Amino acid sequence: DIQMTQSPSSLSASVGDRVTITCRASQSIRTYLNWYHQKPGKAPKLLMSGSSSLQSGVPSRVSGRGSGTDFTLTISNLQPEDFATYYCQQTYGAPWTFGQGTKVEIK
Amino acid sequence: QVQLQESGPGLVKPSETLSLTCTVSAGAISNYYWSWIRQPPGKGLEWIGHIYYSGSINYNPSLKSRVTISVDTSKNQFSLNLSSMTAADTAVYYCARDQGGVMGLGLFDYWGQGILVTVSS
Repeated sequence: DIQMTQSPSSLSASVGDRVTITCRASQSIRTYLNWYHQKPGKAPKLLMSGSSSLQSGVPSRVSGRGSGTDFTLTISNLQPEDFATYYCQQTYGAPWTFGQGTKVEIK
Repeated sequence: QVQLQESGPGLVKPSETLSLTCTVSAGAISNYYWSWIRQPPGKGLEWIGHIYYSGSINYNPSLKSRVTISVDTSKNQFSLNLSSMTAADTAVYYCARDQGGVMGLGLFDYWGQGILVTVSS
């Protein structure tokens, strides 16, 4: 299986901050990298696919980049609704696998 | 808007088989892949497997020997059976739609609310 490793595991930030989450794959996954966020007690929500393509309705202050093994998710001008746990997911090879999550908390 | 709802027992005894059903409403089950995904308490996500409405199936190899996924298009439902349950299978189980249609891209755009299944005697 392709292993996905996220860093940091958690971070504290304030409204208006810019945060970056890193995701690393155990082998090249080209750009088959997706991002979800999840709020407590809720199902995950798909934010981005193909490393950098925003899903409909996701604000443009969320951006992603990367290819191969290293990827980043950046959220600019952090808003209250952004405080959540973020997961990366690879869909390059079966079985599809997720990172362990990065919790973005309010400072 | 498509809605998914998981149903089944919240408590299963060790060694028993878990049976869950996902009912899809406000949209046909046709022309999409449908997945089961689970999340142990406080942990990350694990894809269990998926089924196309016509019956094509893929499972996560780590669970393949214990998993069966089926679909009933007449009821707009798909189901999960997981045998030989242990405490390690305690998790929130989600059903989800793959937005990739016939491609089965692993992009989950609609999710159920999840059902917590606890394995305990």
